[in-house]
Amino acid sequence: LAKTTQPISMDSYEGQEVNITCSHNNIATNDYITWYQQFPSQGPRFIIQGYKTKVTNEVASLFIPADRKSSTLSLPRVSLSDTAVYYCLVAPYNQGGKLIFGQGTELSVKP
Amino acid sequence: EAGVTQFPSHSVIEKGQTVTLRCDPISGHDNLYWYRRVMGKEIKFLLHFVKESKQDESGMPNNRFLAERTGGTYSTLKVQPAELEDSGVYFCASSTVGLAAAPQDTQYFGPGTRLTVL
Repeated sequence: LAKTTQPISMDSYEGQEVNITCSHNNIATNDYITWYQQFPSQGPRFIIQGYKTKVTNEVASLFIPADRKSSTLSLPRVSLSDTAVYYCLVAPYNQGGKLIFGQGTELSVKP
Repeated sequence: EAGVTQFPSHSVIEKGQTVTLRCDPISGHDNLYWYRRVMGKEIKFLLHFVKESKQDESGMPNNRFLAERTGGTYSTLKVQPAELEDSGVYFCASSTVGLAAAPQDTQYFGPGTRLTVL
């Protein structure tokens, strides 16, 4: 399974755009990139998933360059409630669903 | 629609005692997973059920851990006897899509059970 590397922590202020980059140099052809969000005392929550180029939903955007060795989660105009840990995961679609979590990025949004 | 529920939310037990954690997945979800995070570590996969069958139990730490999913609905995870290093947060997740589907099916997590072994 491809290993992911992401910053341990990031600070931001309300209203700013936050970009969290994840490295996955050993990503395989059939791997997808998925991001989860976790608030304190809760389980992880799916945010967004992609294979290549750009994916956007109501919560975030995911940018994946052509070589797919990295990906960037973009959170537009963050608020205090976006303070959470964000996990980048890479896995093949036919693996059977097991998720491999790294350390995640602890995002702190300040007023 | 109700989400994944876990019971209890917290459990404090003595070393050597037995504890049973319960997970109720989202109705209709055939896939059920157990994960845990011990203090200071990353969330680790324990095992995966497809309906009542254990699909992958490669993450189970040792034979003190026993997971069941009788009838393919709720699941229990029993730790017997509990050791200090078993302390942590145990998460359950469920999903609808089977092994052959793509892409990686979304897993819905419960709030976790915080287990403290003294």
